[in-house]
Amino acid sequence: QQQVKQSPQSLIVQKGGISIINCAYENTAFDYFPWYQQFPGKGPALLIAIRPDVSEKKEGRFTISFNKSAKQFSLHIMDSQPGDSATYFCAASRGPGTASKLTFGTGTRLQVTL
Amino acid sequence: GAVVSQHPSWVICKSGTSVKIECRSLDFQATTMFWYRQFPKQSLMLMATSNEGSKATYEQGVEKDKFLINHASLTLSTLTVTSAHPEDSSFYICSAGQGLAQHFGDGTRLSIL
Repeated sequence: QQQVKQSPQSLIVQKGGISIINCAYENTAFDYFPWYQQFPGKGPALLIAIRPDVSEKKEGRFTISFNKSAKQFSLHIMDSQPGDSATYFCAASRGPGTASKLTFGTGTRLQVTL
Repeated sequence: GAVVSQHPSWVICKSGTSVKIECRSLDFQATTMFWYRQFPKQSLMLMATSNEGSKATYEQGVEKDKFLINHASLTLSTLTVTSAHPEDSSFYICSAGQGLAQHFGDGTRLSIL
């Protein structure tokens, strides 16, 4: 049973455009939602994360939008750059307040073209 | 901050050999570390959760006698693939917990001939 569904599977965006990746979860006990960026041959790097008590979090060009009632969250990359071309994973975990096991989405391969 | 070092980054060995992979949190202490396996163009699959000073918790379907995990200190966890076979070839990635976050190493590419 896949508890975190991610879409699209792949995405092509022009330089300067907005990249949007969506995730939906099923388990209402999840209370931590991070996004990771992974380049080929490297481990995932934590980009940004959100808790369910806020609806939006922004860090630089990256924004997470969170809709608790719909059980959905999304990553927006503003002013997308060729260097943003990577695979992005959403994830979710549940308490109790320290790092606990993450349930990952299936990943989105982003390509930013010139 | 929050740097996780994984070593080796790449290993090739013969079938039947045991291989040890190290995961170190360099600038923070991690009570909990995690080991993942990733197949090409797929998501990360959690293998086990290790807590410092106690036995690891393995996910369903992961053979604990084949994938030995030791978390002897707050900055080091090791994964030993025992009697490795070609089907064990994969990309193994560790992460270390800091607060709610998990910070990942750069992975180990394991190739069994």
